[in-house]
Amino acid sequence: AQSVTQLDSQVPVFEEAPVELRCNYSSSVSVYLFWYVQYPNQGLQLLLKYLSGSTLVKGINGFEAEFNKSQTSFHLRKPSVHISDTAEYFCAVRPAFSGGYQKVTFGTGTKLQVIP
Amino acid sequence: NAGVTQTPKFRVLKTGQSMTLLCAQDMNHEYMYWYRQDPGMGLRLIHYSVGEGTTAKGEVPDGYNVSRLKKQNFLLGLESAAPSQTSVYFCASMAANNSPLHFGNGTRLTVT
Repeated sequence: AQSVTQLDSQVPVFEEAPVELRCNYSSSVSVYLFWYVQYPNQGLQLLLKYLSGSTLVKGINGFEAEFNKSQTSFHLRKPSVHISDTAEYFCAVRPAFSGGYQKVTFGTGTKLQVIP
Repeated sequence: NAGVTQTPKFRVLKTGQSMTLLCAQDMNHEYMYWYRQDPGMGLRLIHYSVGEGTTAKGEVPDGYNVSRLKKQNFLLGLESAAPSQTSVYFCASMAANNSPLHFGNGTRLTVT
């Protein structure tokens, strides 16, 4: 079984300030980790992913995330946010193997509101 | 390059009516998923499929049925709609390796 926890449902931040969106996961097997972004009235788009290797992964739009296995976390960060980053962000996990019954589990989402 | 296409985009049903949501992908992906999105609850998995002719239950399967007769299509059916099924439904597909999900643009369903 696997689960994802995003403790912050909403995060307000001023434009050009840094932001961190938190994600913790639980799984009985090794996992791949993802962050998706959803702009209003749209589907979800991949922001970045961790599969293996370097624990710091960089994504689109200046976002990055760090995988911490001991703390089972995958927090998303951006050093300076822009108004256009206002969106909802979802953390997701899936088992780290190919084939079989692959469930992809999402957190409840964090709404990032960038204040001018 | 269409990716994942969902039809219809919007639908209003009365309680007890039935309908089918269609998801089509043109990326030859093995895996397909149906999620529902409700405020404050994120995306919850309804049913999924790991290949043509297969289906499996997700977290919230009750009241829904699915079929995957062709690899590129994944149908979600509501036999007797209830107001609790008012939601935004997303279809997604994934290749059979370490790839991410590719999402459709969603179907907004209202059951009155």
